[in-house]
Amino acid sequence: AQKVTQAQTEISVVEKEDVTLDCVYETRDTTYYLFWYKQPPSGELVFLIRRNSFDEQNEISGRYSWNFQKSTSSFNFTITASQVVDSAVYFCALSEGSSGSARQLTFGSGTQLTVLP
Amino acid sequence: SQTIHQWPATLVQPVGSPLSLECTVEGTSNPNLYWYRQAAGRGLQLLFYSVGIGQISSEVPQNLSASRPQDRQFILSSKKLLLSDSGFYLCAWSVGQRRGPQHFGDGTRLSIL
Repeated sequence: AQKVTQAQTEISVVEKEDVTLDCVYETRDTTYYLFWYKQPPSGELVFLIRRNSFDEQNEISGRYSWNFQKSTSSFNFTITASQVVDSAVYFCALSEGSSGSARQLTFGSGTQLTVLP
Repeated sequence: SQTIHQWPATLVQPVGSPLSLECTVEGTSNPNLYWYRQAAGRGLQLLFYSVGIGQISSEVPQNLSASRPQDRQFILSSKKLLLSDSGFYLCAWSVGQRRGPQHFGDGTRLSIL
């Protein structure tokens, strides 16, 4: 069975600090997909990134970067020079590739990030 | 471009009353559709998913049901609401044939009194 663990329940940083959100996953499949979503106070979930299990290249998008390491089953998310608008709950999610009906996502419990001015 | 509409945004219902939440997707054909519930504590739980009209898979036994009467319409229902049905309900869609990301609606905050 697949599982996603986000051990950090809440993180507070001061604006302009860098912050890393941890995500550790468990799966028996060799083909799988990892995702990060952002949930601002308004409630909607915003897709940030998808990464498949065969692509371990780290990715950078503006102030966001992701570090995927299969050896440690981790897919960590770093925000550089954080801003108040980054305050939200961030979810890591996993989708296995081999199961025929596995289009569903398994979500971590989320990390509440608060960026203070 | 694709858009997803979910309504109502908020709902307050008494225990024992019926429920109907609607979700529609525009700009895509044959999407996978999902209903999630986010209870207090933030965890997201998949309730139902559908890969086509009339095809519903239930992930957890519960007081709720789902239907997909049209390709881009997904409805979450209950005949009699329980207090434990309170929560934030999210509808989502993804591309049918590829493992694309799921895109979420704005959600419905349901409070049961």
